[in-house]
Amino acid sequence: EMLLTQTPGTLSLSPGERASLSCRASRSVSSSYLAWYQQRPGQAPRLLIYGASSRATGIPDRFSGSGSGTDFTLTISRLEPEDFAVYYCQQYSSSGFTFGPGTRVDI
Amino acid sequence: QLQLQESGPGLVKPSETLSLTCTVSGGSISSSTDYWGWIRQPPGKGLEWIGSIDYSGNSYYNPSLKSRVSISVDTSKNQFSLKVKSLNAADTAVYYCAREVRSFDYWGQGILATVSS
Repeated sequence: EMLLTQTPGTLSLSPGERASLSCRASRSVSSSYLAWYQQRPGQAPRLLIYGASSRATGIPDRFSGSGSGTDFTLTISRLEPEDFAVYYCQQYSSSGFTFGPGTRVDI
Repeated sequence: QLQLQESGPGLVKPSETLSLTCTVSGGSISSSTDYWGWIRQPPGKGLEWIGSIDYSGNSYYNPSLKSRVSISVDTSKNQFSLKVKSLNAADTAVYYCAREVRSFDYWGQGILATVSS
Protein backbone atom coordinates (compact mmCIF):
# COMPACT_ATOMS: atom_id res chain seq x y z
CA GLU A 1 0.00 0.00 0.00
CA MET A 2 1.29 3.43 -0.97
CA LEU A 3 1.50 5.77 2.02
CA LEU A 4 1.79 9.55 1.92
CA THR A 5 3.28 11.55 4.79
CA GLN A 6 2.74 15.30 5.04
CA THR A 7 4.89 17.64 7.10
CA PRO A 8 4.49 19.70 9.12
CA GLY A 9 1.15 18.75 10.60
CA THR A 10 0.42 22.40 11.33
CA LEU A 11 2.12 25.50 9.95
CA SER A 12 1.56 28.78 11.78
CA LEU A 13 2.28 31.79 9.60
CA SER A 14 1.12 35.34 8.92
CA PRO A 15 -0.44 36.89 5.80
CA GLY A 16 2.25 37.81 3.29
CA GLU A 17 4.63 35.04 4.41
CA ARG A 18 5.78 32.10 2.30
CA ALA A 19 4.53 28.58 3.03
CA SER A 20 6.26 25.35 2.06
CA LEU A 21 4.36 22.11 2.55
CA SER A 22 5.97 18.70 2.11
CA CYS A 23 4.51 15.41 0.87
CA ARG A 24 6.63 12.26 0.99
CA ALA A 25 5.59 8.94 -0.55
CA SER A 26 6.54 5.48 0.70
CA ARG A 27 7.69 4.60 -2.82
CA SER A 28 8.19 6.45 -6.07
CA VAL A 29 5.16 8.22 -7.54
CA SER A 30 4.78 9.17 -11.17
CA SER A 31 4.84 12.96 -11.29
CA SER A 32 1.86 12.79 -13.60
CA TYR A 33 -0.22 11.44 -10.75
CA LEU A 34 0.57 13.72 -7.80
CA ALA A 35 -2.00 16.36 -6.89
CA TRP A 36 -2.61 18.93 -4.15
CA TYR A 37 -5.95 20.11 -2.73
CA GLN A 38 -7.08 22.94 -0.47
CA GLN A 39 -9.98 22.43 1.93
CA ARG A 40 -11.56 25.29 3.85
CA PRO A 41 -13.87 24.56 6.81
CA GLY A 42 -17.26 23.26 5.73
CA GLN A 43 -16.27 23.08 2.06
CA ALA A 44 -15.37 20.38 -0.39
CA PRO A 45 -11.71 20.05 -1.33
CA ARG A 46 -10.53 22.17 -4.27
CA LEU A 47 -7.94 20.93 -6.75
CA LEU A 48 -4.91 23.26 -6.76
CA ILE A 49 -2.14 21.33 -8.52
CA TYR A 50 -2.12 18.23 -10.72
CA GLY A 51 0.75 16.45 -12.40
CA ALA A 52 2.96 17.64 -9.50
CA SER A 53 3.37 21.16 -10.95
CA SER A 54 0.42 22.17 -13.16
CA ARG A 55 -2.04 24.65 -11.69
CA ALA A 56 -5.70 23.77 -12.03
CA THR A 57 -8.11 26.15 -13.76
CA GLY A 58 -8.54 29.42 -11.90
CA ILE A 59 -5.80 28.80 -9.32
CA PRO A 60 -3.69 31.91 -8.57
CA ASP A 61 -0.02 31.80 -9.53
CA ARG A 62 1.07 32.23 -5.90
CA PHE A 63 0.46 28.46 -5.67
CA SER A 64 3.17 26.27 -7.16
CA GLY A 65 4.07 22.60 -6.99
CA SER A 66 7.38 20.84 -7.45
CA GLY A 67 9.16 17.57 -6.84
CA SER A 68 9.57 14.08 -8.21
CA GLY A 69 10.03 10.50 -7.10
CA THR A 70 9.08 10.37 -3.43
CA ASP A 71 9.37 14.04 -2.42
CA PHE A 72 6.95 16.75 -3.44
CA THR A 73 6.37 20.33 -2.27
CA LEU A 74 3.50 22.79 -2.43
CA THR A 75 4.61 26.41 -2.10
CA ILE A 76 2.39 29.41 -1.46
CA SER A 77 4.53 32.43 -2.26
CA ARG A 78 2.63 35.06 -0.27
CA LEU A 79 -0.19 33.94 1.99
CA GLU A 80 -3.54 35.64 1.55
CA PRO A 81 -6.18 35.49 4.34
CA GLU A 82 -8.23 33.00 2.32
CA ASP A 83 -5.26 30.59 2.10
CA PHE A 84 -5.52 29.57 5.74
CA ALA A 85 -6.93 26.07 5.32
CA VAL A 86 -5.97 22.39 5.26
CA TYR A 87 -3.91 21.09 2.32
CA TYR A 88 -3.85 17.47 1.14
CA CYS A 89 -1.59 15.72 -1.30
CA GLN A 90 -2.90 12.76 -3.32
CA GLN A 91 -1.31 10.13 -5.52
CA TYR A 92 -2.63 7.68 -8.08
CA SER A 93 -1.11 4.26 -8.75
CA SER A 94 -2.25 0.87 -10.00
CA SER A 95 -3.78 0.29 -6.55
CA GLY A 96 -5.91 3.42 -6.81
CA PHE A 97 -5.76 6.69 -4.91
CA THR A 98 -4.20 7.65 -1.59
CA PHE A 99 -4.45 10.97 0.24
CA GLY A 100 -1.98 12.33 2.74
CA PRO A 101 -3.16 13.21 6.26
CA GLY A 102 -3.07 16.94 5.54
CA THR A 103 -1.21 20.05 6.66
CA ARG A 104 -3.16 22.78 8.41
CA VAL A 105 -2.00 26.33 7.65
CA ASP A 106 -3.00 28.54 10.57
CA ILE A 107 -2.64 32.22 11.23
CA GLN B 1 -19.61 24.49 -15.78
CA LEU B 2 -19.74 20.92 -14.55
CA GLN B 3 -21.71 20.45 -11.32
CA LEU B 4 -22.16 17.40 -9.12
CA GLN B 5 -24.77 16.88 -6.41
CA GLU B 6 -24.98 14.05 -3.89
CA SER B 7 -28.30 12.79 -2.59
CA GLY B 8 -29.41 10.11 -0.17
CA PRO B 9 -30.37 9.48 3.45
CA GLY B 10 -28.56 11.31 6.21
CA LEU B 11 -29.11 8.61 8.83
CA VAL B 12 -28.69 4.88 8.44
CA LYS B 13 -28.69 2.04 10.95
CA PRO B 14 -25.74 -0.19 11.79
CA SER B 15 -25.48 -3.36 9.67
CA GLU B 16 -27.68 -1.79 6.95
CA THR B 17 -26.69 -0.52 3.49
CA LEU B 18 -25.99 3.11 2.58
CA SER B 19 -27.13 4.14 -0.90
CA LEU B 20 -26.04 7.48 -2.36
CA THR B 21 -26.50 8.98 -5.81
CA CYS B 22 -24.50 11.66 -7.59
CA THR B 23 -26.23 13.68 -10.31
CA VAL B 24 -23.98 15.33 -12.88
CA SER B 25 -25.13 18.49 -14.68
CA GLY B 26 -23.47 20.84 -17.13
CA GLY B 27 -21.74 17.95 -18.90
CA SER B 28 -22.12 14.32 -19.90
CA ILE B 29 -21.19 11.40 -17.69
CA SER B 30 -20.57 9.46 -20.93
CA SER B 31 -17.25 11.16 -21.68
CA SER B 32 -14.78 8.46 -22.66
CA THR B 33 -11.90 10.21 -20.92
CA ASP B 34 -13.47 10.58 -17.49
CA TYR B 35 -14.00 8.43 -14.47
CA TRP B 36 -16.38 9.32 -11.64
CA GLY B 37 -15.39 8.76 -8.05
CA TRP B 38 -16.53 8.65 -4.45
CA ILE B 39 -14.41 9.99 -1.59
CA ARG B 40 -15.36 10.17 2.08
CA GLN B 41 -14.21 12.15 5.11
CA PRO B 42 -15.06 11.17 8.69
CA PRO B 43 -15.78 14.17 10.92
CA GLY B 44 -12.54 15.98 11.76
CA LYS B 45 -10.40 13.54 9.76
CA GLY B 46 -8.78 13.21 6.34
CA LEU B 47 -9.92 12.06 2.93
CA GLU B 48 -10.36 8.44 1.85
CA TRP B 49 -10.95 7.35 -1.76
CA ILE B 50 -13.71 4.74 -2.00
CA GLY B 51 -13.81 3.87 -5.69
CA SER B 52 -14.34 5.07 -9.26
CA ILE B 53 -16.32 4.09 -12.35
CA ASP B 54 -16.47 5.08 -16.01
CA TYR B 55 -19.50 5.48 -18.27
CA SER B 56 -19.36 1.85 -19.45
CA GLY B 57 -19.32 0.47 -15.91
CA ASN B 58 -15.62 -0.27 -15.54
CA SER B 59 -14.95 0.23 -11.83
CA TYR B 60 -12.16 -0.08 -9.32
CA TYR B 61 -12.16 0.21 -5.56
CA ASN B 62 -10.05 0.95 -2.51
CA PRO B 63 -8.76 -2.51 -1.50
CA SER B 64 -9.62 -1.81 2.15
CA LEU B 65 -13.30 -1.26 1.28
CA LYS B 66 -13.74 -3.47 -1.78
CA SER B 67 -15.65 -6.23 -0.01
CA ARG B 68 -18.38 -3.83 1.17
CA VAL B 69 -18.81 -1.27 -1.62
CA SER B 70 -20.17 -1.16 -5.14
CA ILE B 71 -20.49 1.69 -7.62
CA SER B 72 -22.84 1.75 -10.60
CA VAL B 73 -23.61 4.20 -13.41
CA ASP B 74 -26.84 5.24 -15.15
CA THR B 75 -25.95 7.18 -18.28
CA SER B 76 -29.62 7.81 -19.14
CA LYS B 77 -29.96 9.86 -15.96
CA ASN B 78 -26.39 11.24 -15.95
CA GLN B 79 -25.93 9.69 -12.51
CA PHE B 80 -23.66 7.32 -10.68
CA SER B 81 -24.32 5.64 -7.36
CA LEU B 82 -22.56 4.18 -4.33
CA LYS B 83 -23.63 1.35 -2.05
CA VAL B 84 -21.83 0.55 1.19
CA LYS B 85 -23.08 -2.52 3.04
CA SER B 86 -22.66 -3.85 6.58
CA LEU B 87 -22.38 -0.34 7.99
CA ASN B 88 -20.77 0.47 11.32
CA ALA B 89 -20.07 3.70 13.19
CA ALA B 90 -16.70 4.08 11.45
CA ASP B 91 -18.57 4.62 8.16
CA THR B 92 -20.02 7.90 9.49
CA ALA B 93 -18.58 10.53 7.16
CA VAL B 94 -19.22 13.24 4.63
CA TYR B 95 -19.41 11.46 1.28
CA TYR B 96 -18.26 13.38 -1.79
CA CYS B 97 -18.67 12.54 -5.46
CA ALA B 98 -16.17 13.94 -7.94
CA ARG B 99 -14.95 13.73 -11.52
CA GLU B 100 -11.77 11.71 -11.68
CA VAL B 101 -9.05 12.41 -14.24
CA ARG B 102 -6.28 10.80 -12.17
CA SER B 103 -6.98 13.68 -9.80
CA PHE B 104 -10.37 15.02 -8.74
CA ASP B 105 -11.17 18.31 -10.40
CA TYR B 106 -14.90 18.80 -9.87
CA TRP B 107 -16.52 17.94 -6.53
CA GLY B 108 -20.01 17.84 -5.12
CA GLN B 109 -20.73 19.73 -1.92
CA GLY B 110 -20.81 16.49 0.08
CA ILE B 111 -23.47 14.73 2.11
CA LEU B 112 -23.15 13.70 5.75
CA ALA B 113 -24.17 10.11 6.36
CA THR B 114 -24.46 9.15 10.03
CA VAL B 115 -24.55 5.49 11.08
CA SER B 116 -26.55 5.22 14.28
CA SER B 117 -29.40 3.23 15.73
